[in-house]
Amino acid sequence: DGGITQSPKYLFRKEGQNVTLSCEQNLNHDAMYWYRQDPGQGLRLIYYSQIVNDFQKGDIAEGYSVSREKKESFPLTVTSAQKNPTAFYLCASSNPIAGVVDTQYFGPGTRLTVL
Amino acid sequence: GENVEQHPSTLSVQEGDSAVIKCTYSDSASNYFPWYKQELGKGPQLIIDIRSNVGEKKDQRIAVTLNKTAKHFSLHITETQPEDSAVYFCAASSFLTGNEKLTFGTGTRLTIIP
Repeated sequence: DGGITQSPKYLFRKEGQNVTLSCEQNLNHDAMYWYRQDPGQGLRLIYYSQIVNDFQKGDIAEGYSVSREKKESFPLTVTSAQKNPTAFYLCASSNPIAGVVDTQYFGPGTRLTVL
Repeated sequence: GENVEQHPSTLSVQEGDSAVIKCTYSDSASNYFPWYKQELGKGPQLIIDIRSNVGEKKDQRIAVTLNKTAKHFSLHITETQPEDSAVYFCAASSFLTGNEKLTFGTGTRLTIIP
């Protein structure tokens, strides 16, 4: 899991409530990512951020929001607009250098269950 | 965009035998191919990666091969051990607006039979 922490490990929420998942890294990485993992599927990119105060939508951004106010933190909010939010959420970080793809390192994940 | 297909979805091998997992990708511009191992309830951990300027890379019992012409890459685990049981994901990266973007396969559940 390297220097990436995600909290909480398990999260339960009622339908219609917004919920924020925490992701912190002490690797001094510039780039951070949020993925969603469902059974039988690969990881799908929700949002990513290359640098503080900047972020871009991934493949499945609808119903999610993020912020990047600090280099080490990239919280993800699952809003009530997300139609099927129950899933395993993974945060990752990397240190991309121009023209060279860098390895992404993952946190331990947060399992969100919406009741 | 990139599409990564991974086979097989499940694989059972006898302890000590070899395991091979194969992936194909669609974007000829992809140039970085990592493999991750994920244990139950945990985040994926990088086990090996390869860049498009090499054809093979080995790290002890693990090796990855890349065929750029055919656009496929494979993970080879030799002398398998019970602790190798996990889900393995391949991925391919292509630059998106200057960033790398990993596209993942759907995973292979590897079971080592003692």
